[in-house]
Amino acid sequence: EAGVAQSPRYKIIEKRQSVAFWCNPISGHATLYWYQQILGQGPKLLIQFQNNGVVDDSQLPKDRFSAERLKGVDSTLKIQPAKLEDSAVYLCASSLEGRAEYFGPGTRLLVL
Amino acid sequence: KQEVTQIPAALSVPEGENLVLNCSFTDSAIYNLQWFRQDPGKGLTSLLLIQSSQREQTSGRLNASLDKSSGRSTLYIAASQPGDSATYLCAAGFQKLVFGTGTRLLVSP
Repeated sequence: EAGVAQSPRYKIIEKRQSVAFWCNPISGHATLYWYQQILGQGPKLLIQFQNNGVVDDSQLPKDRFSAERLKGVDSTLKIQPAKLEDSAVYLCASSLEGRAEYFGPGTRLLVL
Repeated sequence: KQEVTQIPAALSVPEGENLVLNCSFTDSAIYNLQWFRQDPGKGLTSLLLIQSSQREQTSGRLNASLDKSSGRSTLYIAASQPGDSATYLCAAGFQKLVFGTGTRLLVSP
């Protein structure tokens, strides 16, 4: 069974630029999550999708972050414009409803 | 608001020791508690999932227990090996998981 795929793996941008991350969940997983992990901290949930609907985006900085899930499968997370404090690892995870979450390898973002 | 705490923050043991990692959570109304492993520069690997109706789960040398009433979970690693060196994260929640900051484990040969 293929795992959660994410791209790119690394990204370096300058502040005020925009960036987008892509995630392909495990086949059949209806729930998809985007997390932000700052160095030395645990992951923090940014947004949770159930199929293509948003379940929870309470911690998503909506003035600069946006996310969508196309046709209930792939998802993209965008930051525009980026700030220095957005430097982090962005993790995508998926699960069957109420079951274990499985994570992708993450995208490491550095904002200069 | 759920808060998850992990103690200790770091642990160094010689190979072969049995060890216990601790996780506490403030809101006992959880649906799942999940333990993960994270290697440097990598994503999270799911180790064990305990649903709220369960008391423990086992996988190989790993055993995780859950006590909802006291807001605690432990991860027991038997006969530790250098390959077990990683950060171990605990996450608990109802509709979404809240993560602790992890325990960094180093097992020396």
